[in-house]
Amino acid sequence: DTEVTQTPKHLVMGMTNKKSLKCEQHMGHRAMYWYKQKAKKPPELMFVYSYEKLSINESVPSRFSPECPNSSLLNLHLHALQPEDSALYLCASSQAPIRGINQPQHFGDGTRLSIL
Amino acid sequence: SQQGEEDPQALSIQEGENATMNCSYKTSINNLQWYRQNSGRGLVHLILIRSNEREKHSGRLRVTLDTSKKSSSLLITASRAADTASYFCAGKTSYDKVIFGPGTSLSVIP
Repeated sequence: DTEVTQTPKHLVMGMTNKKSLKCEQHMGHRAMYWYKQKAKKPPELMFVYSYEKLSINESVPSRFSPECPNSSLLNLHLHALQPEDSALYLCASSQAPIRGINQPQHFGDGTRLSIL
Repeated sequence: SQQGEEDPQALSIQEGENATMNCSYKTSINNLQWYRQNSGRGLVHLILIRSNEREKHSGRLRVTLDTSKKSSSLLITASRAADTASYFCAGKTSYDKVIFGPGTSLSVIP
């Protein structure tokens, strides 16, 4: 079992649907991340939240909208996605960087998203 | 863009043998991390080596770092079938931003 919980595990949606991915951690971490991972590729960073504020947006299309309601929760709102957005979406958390040094990240098992 | 480049991309060994994976990176780092990903799962952090360290051990894992060559290696000794997974190195290019290398797919044959 991982300490970062992602729901749902699988999601199939049409291009006109609106859905949300959820991520929860109770390790007291103040940095949270969204990654997109295609098959046989490394994770690609999408967003970083630090102390509940968006600190990095890797030029992600606006059809992906992140939200951090509190220090334990991270959401990714999806709207009007394209077939090429089908991928594994991973959430991670870590302690905030200490003197600029990044800390190990704890990953959830991801949501496998399929866009029809 | 990728911070790390793993070598080899795929590795197949017999159980009990040692597995060595290499990672090269392009920019300066303050630390380098190695992660494992089992099929269909999230990544698991294995070990972190700081830029002022040359070698680090954790159980059957040994990591080396050569900042002059911008390279790192991960050695798994006495491999087990359960070590079958993808292994990624990861380095930081700027505040909060960690970039993963393309990964090495390791198969350990019982």
